[in-house]
Order: sequence, then C-alpha cells, then structure tokens
Amino acid sequence: DAGVIQSPRHEVTEMGQEVTLRCKPISGHDYLFWYRQTMMRGLELLIYFNNNVPIDDSGMPEDRFSAKMPNASFSTLKIQPSEPRDSAVYFCASSHIEGAGQPQHFGDGTRLSIL
Amino acid sequence: KQEVTQIPAALSVPEGENLVLNCSFTDSAIYNLQWFRQDPGKGLTSLLLIQSSQREQTSGRLNASLDKSSGRSTLYIAASQPGDSATYLCAGLGWSGNTGKLIFGQGTTLQVKP
Repeated sequence: DAGVIQSPRHEVTEMGQEVTLRCKPISGHDYLFWYRQTMMRGLELLIYFNNNVPIDDSGMPEDRFSAKMPNASFSTLKIQPSEPRDSAVYFCASSHIEGAGQPQHFGDGTRLSIL
Repeated sequence: KQEVTQIPAALSVPEGENLVLNCSFTDSAIYNLQWFRQDPGKGLTSLLLIQSSQREQTSGRLNASLDKSSGRSTLYIAASQPGDSATYLCAGLGWSGNTGKLIFGQGTTLQVKP
C-alpha cells in the first residue's frame, strides 16, 4: 500500500519567496493533518481537515500560512512570504477515524530551509 | 491545556537489555494514547495505540501501558536490539469542543549499542 506521499522532500529558498508543500494522503482516509517539527518546539499541529473541510486551524502561526484540500487525494500548505523562522520539517499525516480512533500515518516530511 | 512530557530525553543501553520509556500527561481526559517511532530523516511510524478504556497493548517485543488516573504511560521494550535505535514519541489525543488533537511529547532518543 502506498503511504502518505509528500513533495518536495527538501526545499531551500530565499526569504520572501512563496513556498508550496504538497501531500497525497492514503486512499480512503478522511482526515488529513499538517504538522511542523522543530528542535525547540517539537511536533506541532498546524491544521487538520475532515472530508476536505478545515476543522481546526488554530495552530497555523500567521496569516502567511494557508492550507487547502481541493479534493480527497491532495492537500497543499503554502507559506507566503517565507521567513527564516519558518525553517522546519513539515509533516503531513492521514487517518481514518471511526469508533475509538485509528493511528495517524505520517509521510516522510518536507525539510524546509529559508535562507 | 494538555501537556505531554517524556523522560528521559535520551537513553543509551547495551543490546539485550529490557527498558522502559516514560510519558506523562496533564489532562486525564484523553481519548487515546499513541506511541510512535521516528527514524532520522523519516516520518513517524505508529507503534501502539491504547484506547482510554484500555490498560495496555502489546506488539511483539513492545508493550505499552496506560494509567489515566496517574497521567502516565510507559513503553516497555524487551530484549532491545540495535535496530530499535530511534526517537520514540508519545502523543495523547484530546478533545476540545468538537475537535480532536494529538499533543506530542518531545521524545526519547534511544541508542542500543551492539
């Protein structure tokens, strides 16, 4: 089975540029999560979707961050304009929650460096 | 506000040793508790998930327990192997209103020496 697929794996760009991270969840999963991982703050939930609808975006740090899920098989996280403090590993995860809950399946992440 | 703490932050043991990783959480109203493994440069792999109504889960050499009353979970690894070297994270799933969120600990980085 294909897992959660993220692209690109690595992104290096200059401050002020727009950055778009992409995620393809596992087929049949109806929840999609975007996380950010840094040494200082660990893993933080940015936003999550249920059936393509954003449910909780309280973790999105600023208006510079936006996320969309146009269909069940694709989501994007966009940063515009990017800043050096946005440098982190961004993970996408998906799950199919029913009943008492199911584990989240993570992609391999996008390592983002803003110069 | 839910907070999840993992102690120790790092652990080094010789191969073959049994070991325990600790996780504590501040809000006992969790829906479930999950243990993940993270290898360098990789995403998280779910190891075990304990529902709030359960006390423990086992998978192979791994056993995870949950004590909601004391706000603690442990991950027991039997007969550790060098391939077990990784960072282990616990996460509590809690509800706020209609939304559920996984709150992660900072992780324990385990090194098993051959």
